[in-house]
Amino acid sequence: NAGVTQTPKFQVLKTGQSMTLQCAQDMNHEYMSWYRQDPGMGLRLIHYSVGAGITDQGEVPNGYNVSRSTTEDFPLRLLSAAPSQTSVYFCASRLDRGQETQYFGPGTRLLVL
Amino acid sequence: GEDVEQSLFLSVREGDSSVINCTYTDSSSTYLYWYKQEPGAGLQLLTYIFSNMDMKQDQRLTVLLNKKDKHLSLRIADTQTGDSAIYFCAESKEGSQGNLIFGKGTKLSVKP
Repeated sequence: NAGVTQTPKFQVLKTGQSMTLQCAQDMNHEYMSWYRQDPGMGLRLIHYSVGAGITDQGEVPNGYNVSRSTTEDFPLRLLSAAPSQTSVYFCASRLDRGQETQYFGPGTRLLVL
Repeated sequence: GEDVEQSLFLSVREGDSSVINCTYTDSSSTYLYWYKQEPGAGLQLLTYIFSNMDMKQDQRLTVLLNKKDKHLSLRIADTQTGDSAIYFCAESKEGSQGNLIFGKGTKLSVKP
């Protein structure tokens, strides 16, 4: 198993540009989520999904969209990037909500100029 | 106040024990976790404890939970330079779909 994979590893955007951060897992996990990590902060939940077709907002959802059309993929979309979205983004997955082990991807570093 | 609080820095000498502390505010927490993040990497789950337990040991790692004081600690015995990293405490609350709330992380520096 490849586990949780994220692409790209690093991206530079200009303010107002759009992009999609990709996340995929091959462990047949129902639960997937996106977090952002800012300097001196812990991780904060952006959006999550408990299964294909089901998504919900986390703590900091503004400026981000998600969809879950398949079990494997959970892309995060920035429709109009802002400098405040400069961060490191982590995708995570878990078998289901009762399963303790949550697996994290390697992260995507995003810089918005 | 913050849901999960940790001190930001800890420095120890190689071979000593490290103790990283965490406090949380919600008594409905079900699981409490310790994650390790090495520079430029993702998060690695080190260990977790269910809220009805008070201690868990896994090789060099010992987790202590004081539910009355809402205090969690991670002890690393015989700390090595490879243990240098940021350690995050996280909680999962009842009814939260298992979503995690993280502390800001404790940067552990191990001096030879």
